Amino acid sequence: EPEVTQTPSHQVTQMGQEVILRCVPISNHLYFYWYRQILGQKVEFLVSFYNNEISEKSEIFDDQFSVERPDGSNFTLKIRSTKLEDSAMYFCASSAPRMTGNTEAFFGQGTRLTVV
Amino acid sequence: AQSVTQPDIHITVSEGASLELRCNYSYGATPYLFWYVQSPGQGLQLLLKYFSGDTLVQGIKGFEAEFKRSQSSFNLRKPSVHWSDAAEYFCATGGFKTIFGAGTRLFVKA
Repeated sequence: EPEVTQTPSHQVTQMGQEVILRCVPISNHLYFYWYRQILGQKVEFLVSFYNNEISEKSEIFDDQFSVERPDGSNFTLKIRSTKLEDSAMYFCASSAPRMTGNTEAFFGQGTRLTVV
Repeated sequence: AQSVTQPDIHITVSEGASLELRCNYSYGATPYLFWYVQSPGQGLQLLLKYFSGDTLVQGIKGFEAEFKRSQSSFNLRKPSVHWSDAAEYFCATGGFKTIFGAGTRLFVKA
């Protein structure tokens, strides 16, 4: 069964460093997403990406964040200068939404980012 | 805008007892609705989903959920809880993005 793959599963980085979280979405999907879950809290939407551009982003997704689909298979989230409060689980997801506006997103297992 | 509400932050159930976790949604049309389970430090596992059709949906691990349009609810149920069911449960709705509820933490006592 196709699945969304995220690497690494854990990443520890020093405050101020840049990190890149990587995701391989399901191959025939067209929409890609990043979500964040701070420890003990809900899963929050960060950004959606379609047709090589951001289609929607939340207020959390500020200038320190960027996303890219560098080739036909990978989808990355870059955090330019990490802060302690960026420590969280980051989930990648992909979907093939219907025109009704409903969709089922398939989630990866997450990357736990710890900023020290 | 679509949204989901989980009114219970945490619930404690005795092992072997029945379980019902509440979820209310806000959406004008028929929503896609999901229940996910998350063990501590782990990823999200999809328990079940509702798109259309039969309003009683069967999922994995013995869970089921019932879509009730009149009550805007999609409550998760299990007839007999096992200690391994202790986890965080998230209700979610799928528009052009998935929107999660705040979660309900389930504690199971012996």
